[in-house]
Amino acid sequence: DTEVTQTPKHLVMGMTNKKSLKCEQHMGHRAMYWYKQKAKKPPELMFVYSYEKLSINESVPSRFSPECPNSSLLNLHLHALQPEDSALYLCASSQAWGLGDSGANVLTFGAGSRLTVL
Amino acid sequence: AQTVTQSQPEMSVQEAETVTLSCTYDTSESDYYLFWYKQPPSRQMILVIRQEAYKQQNATENRFSVNFQKAAKSFSLKISDSQLGDAAMYFCAYRSARVFSNQFYFGTGTSLTVIP
Repeated sequence: DTEVTQTPKHLVMGMTNKKSLKCEQHMGHRAMYWYKQKAKKPPELMFVYSYEKLSINESVPSRFSPECPNSSLLNLHLHALQPEDSALYLCASSQAWGLGDSGANVLTFGAGSRLTVL
Repeated sequence: AQTVTQSQPEMSVQEAETVTLSCTYDTSESDYYLFWYKQPPSRQMILVIRQEAYKQQNATENRFSVNFQKAAKSFSLKISDSQLGDAAMYFCAYRSARVFSNQFYFGTGTSLTVIP
């Protein structure tokens, strides 16, 4: 299995709603990432989990709450979002360290969850 | 932090022709990895090609090849025999080879149009 699976593909929510985005991988990767991407822009890093522990938080507002229940799953809990939070949210995974020519250094992306906040 | 620069926001190429996308980066590290990712309008970001900095030989993957100039900190992508399916956003990315370095740095992207 060489895929990162994200659900849902599309999500529409109001500013008072609570929702979650989910991400799953079975490649044995121990680093998992959340990125936010606006149209025609590069992905912006939000969070990185390494060995199920939060290792990077790029000063993301607290209305975004990540969770890594185990080595295969990554969630992003959403609460009280703003319309400007509407974007494509990408999950990705990689090996937790960069070593040699193993191909382990590659970032593998999911297809994304398109979020619209009304 | 490392920076990755893609100076061509948009490029176009005739079908079956060759196009080169530019990427430069800034780093003080000697060992790192470079990548080109493709994101078609359907949005899935996929790896096109990767290069290890310690390797002098340029990476190739079928119609895709890179020109890696370590001293110049340049990493361009050449697409030969361009096909309609090559139309996409292309992002250059950098990753340190330091152990447990999980930060990937992306360029701003180049939007490639393929003209039939």
